[in-house]
Amino acid sequence: GAGVSQSPSNKVTEKGKDVELRCDPISGHTALYWYRQSLGQGLEFLIYFQGNSAPDKSGLPSDRFSAERTGGSVSTLTIQRTQQEDSAVYLCASSYGTGTYEQYFGPGTRLTVT
Amino acid sequence: GNSVTQMEGPVTLSEEAFLTINCTYTATGYPSLFWYVQYPGEGLQLLLKATKADDKGSNKGFEATYRKETTSFHLEKGSVQVSDSAVYFCALSSQAGTALIFGKGTTLSVSS
Repeated sequence: GAGVSQSPSNKVTEKGKDVELRCDPISGHTALYWYRQSLGQGLEFLIYFQGNSAPDKSGLPSDRFSAERTGGSVSTLTIQRTQQEDSAVYLCASSYGTGTYEQYFGPGTRLTVT
Repeated sequence: GNSVTQMEGPVTLSEEAFLTINCTYTATGYPSLFWYVQYPGEGLQLLLKATKADDKGSNKGFEATYRKETTSFHLEKGSVQVSDSAVYFCALSSQAGTALIFGKGTTLSVSS
């Protein structure tokens, strides 16, 4: 079946603008994760959704970052008032959730803030 | 807190050489351990995993053994190929469904 998909693949935005990044997880996966990959910080966890439970937002770097997951499927990561340090590749992953540990990653969205 | 430390790269090898990439971890309890690979221009792919002490994960000729006594999960391959050139990430998950904690990645470059 289809893997995790993300859109757009590339996004260039001006400092101060808001951006939305989208993730479509693998069908049937109840857990969804967002990570950020940057040269200086490596791979960092941002936020995690599991079923209908409240999301784990412990990795969000500031209140400019938020995410939602509609209908237990598609997720959108929103960055408000973007800064240059937000430039990174944003990765989405999904898994079956409780009882399994394997996470399957999408191709990522490369965000460049100018 | 939990953390993963892996050897600094880049690692440069000739084709058919033996590969070891060291990975050690700090975690409470009994984490699951993973190696992910990122080929140039592609996303992260799970390479192998081990979920309990002494388990050996293996895939595509790569192996790693979960050593609780040394808190290690070193990646090995007996004979690397040019197509193995990629960035390798060691990671742990402390319980089912929680976020992965990654090492900083090791770049492997294999020449013919």
